[in-house]
Amino acid sequence: AQSVTQLGSHVSVSEGALVLLRCNYSSSVPPYLFWYVQYPNQGLQLLLKYTSAATLVKGINGFEAEFKKSETSFHLTKPSAHMSDAAEYFCAVSRAAGNKLTFGGGTRVLVKP
Amino acid sequence: EAGVAQSPRYKIIEKRQSVAFWCNPISGHATLYWYQQILGQGPKLLIQFQNNGVVDDSQLPKDRFSAERLKGVDSTLKIQPAKLEDSAVYLCASSEERTPGGEQYFGPGTRLTVT
Repeated sequence: AQSVTQLGSHVSVSEGALVLLRCNYSSSVPPYLFWYVQYPNQGLQLLLKYTSAATLVKGINGFEAEFKKSETSFHLTKPSAHMSDAAEYFCAVSRAAGNKLTFGGGTRVLVKP
Repeated sequence: EAGVAQSPRYKIIEKRQSVAFWCNPISGHATLYWYQQILGQGPKLLIQFQNNGVVDDSQLPKDRFSAERLKGVDSTLKIQPAKLEDSAVYLCASSEERTPGGEQYFGPGTRLTVT
């Protein structure tokens, strides 16, 4: 069975500071990994995905994530936080077959001016 | 391109009542998903359709929840009777096909409050 753990349910960063959101997964097969963002009262929007190509994945809005198999991690980063980055972020994993997404518990990001 | 549409956006019902949610996926998307997102948690898959057939409903509480996707397009999720613990946001998503790593596109969700 797959599972996803996101460390820290809430993260507070200053505008312009580094954003680092942690995600660790467990999967019995090489996974497909995703980061989604959810703004208040909206659905989920894909930020980026890893599908066994380059281990460093660049996404929208200046976000990127690095797949580290040895650490079973897929942490999300952004060099400089913007006020518009305030949202909830979800890491998710799917297997090679079926495409069902298993989500982590989410990390809510607060950006301080 | 129109996104995934869901209605209603909000619904308040009393426990033991019934409720239905509707989803219209992106045109041409063969796979449709219903997720339940309880406050403070990540979404959890309830049911997955490929065209009008069920691929995965292992986490659907079948004693009270039902879903259908007639003609392989629109889908309806029903709860009867509702319980307090069903209070959640119900998200519908669709993808082009059941391709590993394929992107799922999410609708805005229906927020259900059971009192």
